Amino acid sequence: ETGVTQSPTHLIKTRGQQVTLRCSSQSGHNTVSWYQQALGQGPQFIFQYYREEENGRGNFPPRFSGLQFPNYSSELNVNALELDDSALYLCASSLSTDNEQFFGPGTRLTVL
Amino acid sequence: EDQVTQSPEALRLQEGESSSLNCSYTVSGLRGLFWYRQDPGKGPEFLFTLYSAGEEKEKERLKATLTKKESFLHITAPKPEDSATYLCAVQAGDSGYALNFGKGTSLLVTP
Repeated sequence: ETGVTQSPTHLIKTRGQQVTLRCSSQSGHNTVSWYQQALGQGPQFIFQYYREEENGRGNFPPRFSGLQFPNYSSELNVNALELDDSALYLCASSLSTDNEQFFGPGTRLTVL
Repeated sequence: EDQVTQSPEALRLQEGESSSLNCSYTVSGLRGLFWYRQDPGKGPEFLFTLYSAGEEKEKERLKATLTKKESFLHITAPKPEDSATYLCAVQAGDSGYALNFGKGTSLLVTP
């Protein structure tokens, strides 16, 4: 059984640019959640997608947006990058909305 | 507002020296409390879910317990490979299905 995968592993962008991060959920999982983890902090919830619909959003501005596809993979898009967006971005998938969430390895984003 | 506080922030143990990590929480309508292990630069690895006060779960040298206000992660006779950051998260009724994480406890086990 393949676990959660994320791409790319690392990314360097400059302030004002846009970025797209990708996530493939674990087989059989229909729910994907995205988190941002700054250095030395716990992950912060960005949003969750269930069966291609947004199913909850954390305290992040609208320039953070997402998509979920029919195969339940997902994308996180961030527009107008700011220096504070530098972090580890984690994707987690689950069987459904209230089941255990299994995390991918993350994408390390650096904004210069 | 939901709050999750983990203590201590950092813990150094000798191999074989048992100890406990604490996670205290203030939420409305707890759905579940989750423990994860995170190695540097990697994604969190799921350990346990606890749903109600009095529940306990074990896995190898780890045992998680839950009361109405806090959870403990007991580590018995730890080994150096148990060194990692341990994260606690709650899922509560007023915040949907999001996981609300604490800042974690960084554990170092020395030989």
